[in-house]
Amino acid sequence: AQTVTQSQPEMSVQEAETVTLSCTYDTSENNYYLFWYKQPPSRQMILVIRQEAYKQQNATENRFSVNFQKAAKSFSLKISDSQLGDTAMYFCAFIAPGAGSYQLTFGKGTKLSVIP
Amino acid sequence: DSGVTQTPKHLITATGQRVTLRCSPRSGDLSVYWYQQSLDQGLQFLIQYYNGEERAKGNILERFSAQQFPDLHSELNLSSLELGDSALYFCASSVSGPYGYTFGSGTRLTVV
Repeated sequence: AQTVTQSQPEMSVQEAETVTLSCTYDTSENNYYLFWYKQPPSRQMILVIRQEAYKQQNATENRFSVNFQKAAKSFSLKISDSQLGDTAMYFCAFIAPGAGSYQLTFGKGTKLSVIP
Repeated sequence: DSGVTQTPKHLITATGQRVTLRCSPRSGDLSVYWYQQSLDQGLQFLIQYYNGEERAKGNILERFSAQQFPDLHSELNLSSLELGDSALYFCASSVSGPYGYTFGSGTRLTVV
């Protein structure tokens, strides 16, 4: 079975500070894709960043970056210069297309609060 | 606007009833995915259609069914509803592959 574990149900960070959200996953596939999604109170699912497992270089999108440790099956998200608009649920997810389907497997999520 | 349209946005119904949730994918996207988000189960994949054909099934109950029509819109049918079916149901679409996944804004189903 493929699983995603987010061990931090809730976190908080001061505005302008840096925070790291943890994620570990388990899969027997060699080819897979990792994602972080943000779900603000509006409930819309928004893609934050993605990483291909075959790429060694960590992905970066503006203030968001990941630390991808393939051997450890770890995929953490770092948010720099946190802003009030970053307050949301954050979901770690992956796609392992071994069976030809690109379904997402999600973790339980981390609720992030940015404090002014 | 993500380009994926889900209707209705909210639905309140009684136990034992049947409802239909509708999803119009982003223009050009051939794949439609349905997900259920509940407090106890989190976000779970239900089913995928690709160009009208069922491609993959996840944790979808037998009381639930779906289809994708020739115009590529999809419907998720939920029958014999139970209190535990109360959840946010998301539809997502993509052209193919793992990229360009776009989610709709969801349908909030409340079973009373």
